[in-house]
Amino acid sequence: EAGVVQSPRYKIIEKKQPVAFWCNPISGHNTLYWYLQNLGQGPELLIRYENEEAVDDSQLPKDRFSAERLKGVDSTLKIQPAELGDSAVYLCASSLQNTDTQYFGPGTRLTVL
Amino acid sequence: KNEVEQSPQNLTAQEGEFITINCSYSVGISALHWLQQHPGGGIVSLFMLSSGKKKHGRLIATINIQEKHSSLHITASHPRDSAVYICAVTGGAGSYQLTFGKGTKLSVIP
Repeated sequence: EAGVVQSPRYKIIEKKQPVAFWCNPISGHNTLYWYLQNLGQGPELLIRYENEEAVDDSQLPKDRFSAERLKGVDSTLKIQPAELGDSAVYLCASSLQNTDTQYFGPGTRLTVL
Repeated sequence: KNEVEQSPQNLTAQEGEFITINCSYSVGISALHWLQQHPGGGIVSLFMLSSGKKKHGRLIATINIQEKHSSLHITASHPRDSAVYICAVTGGAGSYQLTFGKGTKLSVIP
């Protein structure tokens, strides 16, 4: 069974440019998470989806970050415009609804120059 | 909000040594997770426990609910165990959101 797929794996952009990350969760997983992980830190939740509904986006900086999960499967996280401080690893995870175990993708490492 | 603290932050061990990583949290939980993250980012779930002890191969995880403390032990450590080990908790009352510790970076030297 395929795991959580993320692309791209690495992205280097200049500040003020837009960037988008894509995530394909494990088939059948209703819940999808986007996390941000800074170097030496644990992941921090940005947004959680139950199917196509964003049920927790309280930590998402909505002035520059946006996310969508059309049709309740794949999801896209966008930053526009990117800032130097956005350099981090962006992780996607999925789980069956109302369960504890999350399955993580490999992450996208973003470098903003 | 639950505060999750791990110690040590960094750990270097000789191959074969017994390793212990500790995790404490501030508020009651429904479950505690131990996760492994290798360079390159991928995170793998090692254990999920809400009481007692679990063992998988050379890895053992214990939790003391009263003390709000958990430990991850690695017996007969090997260089391939080198990774970041992250403790995370989920709260009670149907909350499945993970709160993560900062991780412990383990390096096992041959």
